[in-house]
Amino acid sequence: SQQGEEDPQALSIQEGENATMNCSYKTSINNLQWYRQNSGRGLVHLILIRSNEREKHSGRLRVTLDTSKKSSSLLITASRAADTASYFCATDKMATNKLIFGTGTLLAVQP
Amino acid sequence: DAMVIQNPRYQVTQFGKPVTLSCSQTLNHNVMYWYQQKSSQAPKLLFHYYDKDFNNEADTPDNFQSRRPNTSFCFLDIRSPGLGDAAMYLCATSNGAESGNYEQYFGPGTRLTVT
Repeated sequence: SQQGEEDPQALSIQEGENATMNCSYKTSINNLQWYRQNSGRGLVHLILIRSNEREKHSGRLRVTLDTSKKSSSLLITASRAADTASYFCATDKMATNKLIFGTGTLLAVQP
Repeated sequence: DAMVIQNPRYQVTQFGKPVTLSCSQTLNHNVMYWYQQKSSQAPKLLFHYYDKDFNNEADTPDNFQSRRPNTSFCFLDIRSPGLGDAAMYLCATSNGAESGNYEQYFGPGTRLTVT
């Protein structure tokens, strides 16, 4: 399977703490994206990092990309209860319009 | 404003009874996707359309079919639902990789129950 893997599978933290999720993938990419999914809902795009970028910020989100290790991390700073959701990384399948999703991390932020 | 709309949000069907799920978009995107997502799993791509060109995934069962009558609408037909087809079905759209914009926009999903 080309599916990426994420760890941890589940993460429980207190409000105000930082949350870090990691993603590993297998093939060459143009870009890597992170999506959030609230329970029973569709996915929402959070951030995209291109293969020639190493770090990107958006609000409380920080994404890093290491193409030599085929890995990425998503850091959410100062977490809030509303950040409780599943987080998926997704890589583009080269020369296609398709994404390959990771296995996801379920984040629970306790108020 | 809703951009990718899926109807219905919840669908109950009987074992073996054909069912159609619908998706519409107001984004005028070239590409429309159908994903199946089971509990605590990643979305699994079933197929996608680039304009009118249909692209099936190799492991998508023949029981799943799709139609895209125009840019705005795309349908997922399950010809003979089995208990294993109970899942969330997600529709998504994108401009296509050629545009340089790789982001996909998802609808809220249709939760399918098979009784």
